[in-house]
Amino acid sequence: DAGVTQSPTHLIKTRGQQVTLRCSPKSGHDTVSWYQQALGQGPQFIFQYYEEEERQRGNFPDRFSGHQYPNYSSELNVNALLLGDSALYLCASSLVGEQPQHFGDGTRLSIL
Amino acid sequence: TQLLEQSPQFLSIQEGENLTVYCNSSSVFSSLQWYRQEPGEGPVLLVTVVTGGEVKKLKRLTFQFGDARKDSSLHITAAQPGDTGLYLCAGLPGSGNTGKLIFGQGTTLQVKP
Repeated sequence: DAGVTQSPTHLIKTRGQQVTLRCSPKSGHDTVSWYQQALGQGPQFIFQYYEEEERQRGNFPDRFSGHQYPNYSSELNVNALLLGDSALYLCASSLVGEQPQHFGDGTRLSIL
Repeated sequence: TQLLEQSPQFLSIQEGENLTVYCNSSSVFSSLQWYRQEPGEGPVLLVTVVTGGEVKKLKRLTFQFGDARKDSSLHITAAQPGDTGLYLCAGLPGSGNTGKLIFGQGTTLQVKP
């Protein structure tokens, strides 16, 4: 039973560029949430997708956007990258309305 | 803004010692979860507490949810080097919210042999 998978594992970008991170939820899950974890900090909620729509959003600018596909996989897009966007980006999946959320191992994004 | 204050941020102890990690808030949470995260990996769920005053045990780990559902603690008895890692508490605020986990800053635990 495959867990949550994220790609790529690591990514290096420069300021101003755009990036797309990908997530496949755990088998049987239909809801995907994205979190940003800065070094030495706890994860911060970016947004959640269910039925291909953004259902909840945290305190992140519009540069952060997402998408969910009919197969429940999801993408996180970040435009106009800033140095402060350097972080571990975590994807978590669950069944709608249920806990707990299962986390992937994240994508480490470094901005130069 | 709902916040979870976790303390201490860092803890370095000898094998065999006991320790307690605290997670406090001024807000009520419908449930609270504790995760452990290893370097290069995502958080792994240890336990979920839902009822005020609830106590759950997982081998040498004891988790407690405050009566008012605003705080929680994790107690480890006779810590072992394998317990080393980042411990995170995370709460689901209010009612009807099933997605937005609020995380504490984390507690980095190092257990020396």
